[in-house]
Amino acid sequence: AQKITQTQPGMFVQEKEAVTLDCTYDTSDQSYGLFWYKQPSSGEMIFLIYQGSYDEQNATEGRYSLNFQKARKSANLVISASQLGDSAMYFCAMREDSKGNTPLVFGKGTRLSVIA
Amino acid sequence: DGGITQSPKYLFRKEGQNVTLSCEQNLNHDAMYWYRQDPGQGLRLIYYSQIVNDFQKGDIAEGYSVSREKKESFPLTVTSAQKNPTAFYLCASSTTPITDTQYFGPGTRLTVL
Repeated sequence: AQKITQTQPGMFVQEKEAVTLDCTYDTSDQSYGLFWYKQPSSGEMIFLIYQGSYDEQNATEGRYSLNFQKARKSANLVISASQLGDSAMYFCAMREDSKGNTPLVFGKGTRLSVIA
Repeated sequence: DGGITQSPKYLFRKEGQNVTLSCEQNLNHDAMYWYRQDPGQGLRLIYYSQIVNDFQKGDIAEGYSVSREKKESFPLTVTSAQKNPTAFYLCASSTTPITDTQYFGPGTRLTVL
């Protein structure tokens, strides 16, 4: 079974509108971390936001917020006031702490296109 | 400026040749990683290293080799045994234990002709 599922291959949003990118995860760990990265067409991966499984509040970083619903095992990224520069691939990733020092597992990504 | 550098940005090689991709970081991070990205596949882990002179295989290590002789450097060799080496390769680093955020380099696009 996939550890990270991003069900939206592509999304469109009007400039200045908000958009939600979905991410569900599968783990039996109690302690884990969830990450979102942005990949513009240039290829670099840019860290956006992090949510720990024990964090009681949803993480926020500027226009980015993470809608963390632990019981549903979902960690959706919300981008408010979309800008043309937000057009990119977005990847959700997870770290499971019980497995020791293991790297992140990534989803397949969602391509976001912002329309003027 | 602190960061991760990968060189070159684009690399072309003939089939059957080994090629080494460079990754250097000056973030003083202990852990370093190599990922491969194919269209529609997301990122897949090739190798990672938590400390100098030590490294572990990831999910798709066959046909690749690495070394970690210095903290700052984690080169990846794509050998002729790798059946389909044309891809985008990303290097990353983080502090240890591997609970901290991974930061990525700009990537190298390898094309095997």
